[in-house]
Amino acid sequence: GAVVSQHPSWVICKSGTSVKIECRSLDFQATTMFWYRQFPKQSLMLMATSNEGSKATYEQGVEKDKFLINHASLTLSTLTVTSAHPEDSSFYICSAPGGGYEQYFGPGTRLTVT
Amino acid sequence: EDKVVQSPLSLVVHEGDTVTLNCSYEVTNFRSLLWYKQEKKAPTFLFMLTSSGIEKKSGRLSSILDKKELFSILNITATQTGDSAVYLCAGRISGSRLTFGEGTQLTVNP
Repeated sequence: GAVVSQHPSWVICKSGTSVKIECRSLDFQATTMFWYRQFPKQSLMLMATSNEGSKATYEQGVEKDKFLINHASLTLSTLTVTSAHPEDSSFYICSAPGGGYEQYFGPGTRLTVT
Repeated sequence: EDKVVQSPLSLVVHEGDTVTLNCSYEVTNFRSLLWYKQEKKAPTFLFMLTSSGIEKKSGRLSSILDKKELFSILNITATQTGDSAVYLCAGRISGSRLTFGEGTQLTVNP
């Protein structure tokens, strides 16, 4: 099946710094990718829809100036957490829809802000 | 507002038991409902169900959707310790956007 990768898998950063997370579709093209956030023992919350060649669509309550999304090519979307704070520590997962109903998830990136 | 609610939130059983996980949904422009299993990392796909009401089966797992009651169940028979995971259901609305429920944490003890 199709593969989606994320990099890095785990990152620790200091409060106030910015962190970039990459999401790549390895063997298929994705005009749309989704970014989710998952806090411990909670479900996946959709943050935004990344659209190749156009602006991302953010879910209600998600600060677009804090979570910058760039979908520069048909295989790469990036999420930059700007001025990260400890409350941004979470598990960030991207996904890309395949043909039909399938949606392929990346392995996730665990962000820890100290 | 789209809503997907799962129950129970947590379940502990012994190997060999049969479990039923529940998922109710209130989703506008409903297209399908998906079940995922999540262990330590990202979710892995189990089933996709539509309003057709057709039951899906894969080994010891099966799932069905009741379009009238806006409800789906996931059954696991003869549970094994390897079934321990969080089981997520998600409603698929417009395009490929998914709205996830809170998940059911299943623990299967030997």
